[in-house]
Amino acid sequence: DSGVTQTPKHLITATGQRVTLRCSPRSGDLSVYWYQQSLDQGLQFLIQYYNGEERAKGNILERFSAQQFPDLHSELNLSSLELGDSALYFCASSVATEYEQYFGPGTRLTVT
Amino acid sequence: EDQVTQSPEALRLQEGESSSLNCSYTVSGLRGLFWYRQDPGKGPEFLFTLYSAGEEKEKERLKATLTKKESFLHITAPKPEDSATYLCAVQDFQGGSEKLVFGKGTKLTVNP
Repeated sequence: DSGVTQTPKHLITATGQRVTLRCSPRSGDLSVYWYQQSLDQGLQFLIQYYNGEERAKGNILERFSAQQFPDLHSELNLSSLELGDSALYFCASSVATEYEQYFGPGTRLTVT
Repeated sequence: EDQVTQSPEALRLQEGESSSLNCSYTVSGLRGLFWYRQDPGKGPEFLFTLYSAGEEKEKERLKATLTKKESFLHITAPKPEDSATYLCAVQDFQGGSEKLVFGKGTKLTVNP
């Protein structure tokens, strides 16, 4: 158990819908990262927050957005969902930006 | 752009048959190279961080080494429970982001 929690574990929704994925980092970790893992692309970095502020963006679509709250938990919002958004979404956290990242168990999103 | 290439894509070993996994990387300025283990449907589990050429880290049957262009994960006398996908990732100094760039992984199967 890495100490990073993610909810829900599974999510099945229809095209065009909007969903919110939630992540709670390890106690004391200030940095939160979101990654998407699909069969053909592997693990792809989406976005990073550090102590409530957006720090970096990766291959995140405009339909996707995220935020980190004062209690350091983070949410990833996915809207206007398409079939191709089906994937595993992982959250990771680290105590500071230069240290190893610990991953949560992931949310499996299926868009039908 | 940072690139990480892992080989082989898949590896089958007999229990006790030692081998090595390769991770070749191209980065502007290496901050760290990370090895993770991932079981199907689970989040990546942190194994090692290597920071500079010549560095080695060991944990049970695993040993990670680093040169200026590649890293190796040596598996000595593997057991069936070592079966998993092993992921390599790099983090660089450029761009103000601490994102990890992952390779596509090596799927290891250890037969009893």
